Amino acid sequence: EADIYQTPRYLVIGTGKKITLECSQTMGHDKMYWYQQDPGMELHLIHYSYGVNSTEKGDLSSESTVSRIRTEHFPLTLESARPSHTSQYLCASRRGTDSPLHFGNGTRLTVT
Amino acid sequence: GQQLNQSPQSMFIQEGEDVSMNCTSSSIFNTWLWYKQDPGEGPVLLIALYKAGELTSNGRLTAQFGITRKDSFLNISASIPSDVGIYFCAGNYGGSQGNLIFGKGTKLSVKP
Repeated sequence: EADIYQTPRYLVIGTGKKITLECSQTMGHDKMYWYQQDPGMELHLIHYSYGVNSTEKGDLSSESTVSRIRTEHFPLTLESARPSHTSQYLCASRRGTDSPLHFGNGTRLTVT
Repeated sequence: GQQLNQSPQSMFIQEGEDVSMNCTSSSIFNTWLWYKQDPGEGPVLLIALYKAGELTSNGRLTAQFGITRKDSFLNISASIPSDVGIYFCAGNYGGSQGNLIFGKGTKLSVKP
């Protein structure tokens, strides 16, 4: 069973607020990922990290930013939330280049 | 860029029927992964395939890594209502850091 945790589970905020979505894993995985997914739709990679102090943008342009100061922690920040940011955000991690991804349960974000 | 074509997009079946879905690509993959996602949850790994031709089962689920390394299928036998969800394939096409791409998903509905 994967040990990857996302908080909060649900978040409703007003436009213009700054928010940080938390993601932590206790498996010592070096690679971590953030995906954005609208309900029932495909997964879009928005950020990834191959290790501490490494962050890269994914395939889908995103106004969010990430940091990787510790191996186990990969938070995602939105400086000024907008209704277009309403979506589910999934964090994932894996150990090696051919290993499966382990996903958290996601944060469902609604921006009003 | 790399692309995975997953089909069918959706399926409506009767309980007890068998299900088959597949992913194809024009590119070669090192690893094939199959995930299931329940509403409001993160994807959960069902089966991981690492070698061309590999056939792996997990209960009522069976998946195969195509000989050409460009495709994979997932079969579910004797479907039950809890099989409802979205099934995603994912292919890892290697490289020094490892790159993983997802299909767009197959939405499965099971009628009791």
